[in-house]
Amino acid sequence: GAVVSQHPSRVICKSGTSVKIECRSLDFQATTMFWYRQFPKQSLMLMATSNEGSKATYEQGVEKDKFLINHASLTLSTLTVTSAHPEDSSFYICSARVLADLQETQYFGPGTRLLVL
Amino acid sequence: GNSVTQMEGPVTLSEEAFLTINCTYTATGYPSLFWYVQYPGEGLQLLLKATKADDKGSNKGFEATYRKETTSFHLEKGSVQVSDSAVYFCALSPMFSGGYNKLIFGAGTRLAVHP
Repeated sequence: GAVVSQHPSRVICKSGTSVKIECRSLDFQATTMFWYRQFPKQSLMLMATSNEGSKATYEQGVEKDKFLINHASLTLSTLTVTSAHPEDSSFYICSARVLADLQETQYFGPGTRLLVL
Repeated sequence: GNSVTQMEGPVTLSEEAFLTINCTYTATGYPSLFWYVQYPGEGLQLLLKATKADDKGSNKGFEATYRKETTSFHLEKGSVQVSDSAVYFCALSPMFSGGYNKLIFGAGTRLAVHP
């Protein structure tokens, strides 16, 4: 099946620094990727939709200047948390959309755990 | 708005026990419904799905039936194995998602199966 990787798997940073998280589709191309955020014991919440070669579409309430998304190639999307603060600590998960035979499937990465001190 | 509610875990069962994880949803119209599973250290995997009322999704011994009248999509398995231990997420995709499969997830239910 399609494999999606994320790097790093976990990161600890100081408040005020920026952190970049990579999402890669390893054996397929994805024009659309999604970024989710998950708080402990809570749902995955969609943050934004990342489209290759165009600007990301952000969900209501998500600050686009805070969470920068770049989808520069068909196999890579990056999420940069700028000027991170402790409240940004969370589990960030990406997925890649595959459309085949009119069936759409999202393949998920293993997630990145961010801790901001 | 659209939302998914699933039973809180953890659910702890003995091997070969019957499993039910409840999931109910709120949505306009006829959403598509999904169950995803997340094994330790891995990403979410699609387990099964149903796209219209009364459809039954099934995979790896798991089943779920799309019940419009009760707005439910409960996950069941007749005989669980230790290898089924994971976190299970119920999700819906609204009727009109802007051209792609926008997913709204429940909080997840952790299942622990012991020998």
